[in-house]
Amino acid sequence: AQSVTQPDIHITVSEGASLELRCNYSYGATPYLFWYVQSPGQGLQLLLKYFSGDTLVQGIKGFEAEFKRSQSSFNLRKPSVHWSDAAEYFCAVGAGGTSYGKLTFGQGTILTVHP
Amino acid sequence: EPEVTQTPSHQVTQMGQEVILRCVPISNHLYFYWYRQILGQKVEFLVSFYNNEISEKSEIFDDQFSVERPDGSNFTLKIRSTKLEDSAMYFCASRVGGTPYEQYFGPGTRLTVT
Repeated sequence: AQSVTQPDIHITVSEGASLELRCNYSYGATPYLFWYVQSPGQGLQLLLKYFSGDTLVQGIKGFEAEFKRSQSSFNLRKPSVHWSDAAEYFCAVGAGGTSYGKLTFGQGTILTVHP
Repeated sequence: EPEVTQTPSHQVTQMGQEVILRCVPISNHLYFYWYRQILGQKVEFLVSFYNNEISEKSEIFDDQFSVERPDGSNFTLKIRSTKLEDSAMYFCASRVGGTPYEQYFGPGTRLTVT
């Protein structure tokens, strides 16, 4: 069964600082990996995705993530955080094969940005 | 830009009552999903729906739950007899057929069972 672990429940950074949110997954085959962001009272917005190819993927809002198969990780990064990035971030893995694409989410990481 | 919509945004119901949560997926999408998020917990898969039938469901999706696509645009989740533990945010999602498995989520319906 697939699973996702986000080790950091809550991260606080200063505006302008760099950011890395960790994600580790468990899946028997090539995973489909996603990062979603959820602002308070809002739905889930897709930030970026990895399916194959280049292991460094670019997303919206200046985010990027790197897939490392050897470490079963898909960490999210941003070089300079803005106050508007404060939200909850979810890593998710999608099954391939005969599955109809259900997503398994991590616990989420709440990002607080200090001015 | 096309988006998934959900109604109502907030539903309050009494324990034992039936509720129907409604979703309008993106029009050319073929796969439809319901997820839920209990306050403070992770987003959990409930059910996937393709070609007018359930394709996969989780252990949470018991006989109290059902889904339907009554026409070409709506996708509904029905809970027959709500329990207190059904209180959660329910998200609808959809995607086009084949790969990639990129799902687009609606804004959610917050269900409060009292």
